[in-house]
Amino acid sequence: ETGVTQTPRHLVMGMTNKKSLKCEQHLGHNAMYWYKQSAKKPLELMFVYSLEERVENNSVPSRFSPECPNSSHLFLHLHTLQPEDSALYLCASSQLGSGNTEAFFGQGTRLTVV
Amino acid sequence: AQSVTQLGSHVSVSEGALVLLRCNYSSSVPPYLFWYVQYPNQGLQLLLKYTTGATLVKGINGFEAEFKKSETSFHLTKPSAHMSDAAEYFCAVTLSGGYNKLIFGAGTRLAVHP
Repeated sequence: ETGVTQTPRHLVMGMTNKKSLKCEQHLGHNAMYWYKQSAKKPLELMFVYSLEERVENNSVPSRFSPECPNSSHLFLHLHTLQPEDSALYLCASSQLGSGNTEAFFGQGTRLTVV
Repeated sequence: AQSVTQLGSHVSVSEGALVLLRCNYSSSVPPYLFWYVQYPNQGLQLLLKYTTGATLVKGINGFEAEFKKSETSFHLTKPSAHMSDAAEYFCAVTLSGGYNKLIFGAGTRLAVHP
């Protein structure tokens, strides 16, 4: 596999459920990101991990809990979500310190909270 | 703080016509600028980027963009639209040394009609 892979592609969950989104990058990058894309808002950066350390948390509610066990994997653990959390969640990776600034995105997980 | 403004949330062109998608940015330091494209139910794909050097940047699928510092603009153009160009386009900015965090514009949906 190449690039950035996200699973599942679609997820429907109730407000009392606990679920996790998974992201895997095969690019050898040292930074990973979670972005949220809602219907009527610009793409929002949620979390940044650099060398498996969280370096940014953009005022994201605690019902979203990220985890980066190694440089290739990133998770977003979800619990007691609200309907307004329904969105496309995009994972991305990039290589810091290389002079290359672009981020590579996965195809996203479409989350619906019912 | 950086920000990005994309003028026109929807643009419609005829097949074969010029495509012009507008992007203006705000940044207190020289920015790195990007255009990404998103096809339905997909993640974001990099079209082109400006970091330093030549201000006219060529990307994939025949797109190009010109960085104009005096106008704080980075408009995206393509001389002749193709039906397959129909998608949503996002302009983004980041800063050197800033963990490659992307600040996105609201997006422009491009429709191409026969």
